[in-house]
Amino acid sequence: ETGVTQSPTHLIKTRGQQVTLRCSSQSGHNTVSWYQQALGQGPQFIFQYYREEENGRGNFPPRFSGLQFPNYSSELNVNALELDDSALYLCASSYGQGSLYGELFFGEGSRLTVL
Amino acid sequence: AQKVTQAQTEISVVEKEDVTLDCVYETRDTTYYLFWYKQPPSGELVFLIRRNSFDEQNEISGRYSWNFQKSTSSFNFTITASQVVDSAVYFCALSEINYGGSQGNLIFGKGTKLSVKP
Repeated sequence: ETGVTQSPTHLIKTRGQQVTLRCSSQSGHNTVSWYQQALGQGPQFIFQYYREEENGRGNFPPRFSGLQFPNYSSELNVNALELDDSALYLCASSYGQGSLYGELFFGEGSRLTVL
Repeated sequence: AQKVTQAQTEISVVEKEDVTLDCVYETRDTTYYLFWYKQPPSGELVFLIRRNSFDEQNEISGRYSWNFQKSTSSFNFTITASQVVDSAVYFCALSEINYGGSQGNLIFGKGTKLSVKP
């Protein structure tokens, strides 16, 4: 069974640029959630995708957007990067819609530094 | 509003000591889930336990135990006979129970960094 994989693991961007982060969900999972974890803080929910549609969003501006593909992998896109976007971005996969369906399995994250 | 507070920022113990990590939560929901996750230096969050608000029984899994007290809105985590491999950041989290909406909306505390020294 393949776990959740994320790429790239580390990247450096400058303010104003755009970034795309990728996530392959665990085999058999059809839901992907994205979280932002600033240094020394707990993860914060960005949004979730279920069967290729956004299924819930946290308090993040529209410049944070995402996609889910037919194979359930996902992308997180951030436009017009700001210094405060520097964080560890975590992807989690799970099966089913609604919180009754099992636990979230997290990847190791993509660490983004914005200069 | 939902909120999770982990008042202990860092804890340091010597191997074989018992240690308790505190978690206090706030929610207006009458039904909810509580979680504990472990985050080793590699970064991924490792699921430890999920408990729903209907079940206040304490749970033990090997050296780990959890004490859920709805009356004090607490869900504390105890590691018995700690080991160096237990060193990590531990997060407590809360989510609503829903039947079709977003599953992913976990509200995390700020975490407690546990260092176990040999």
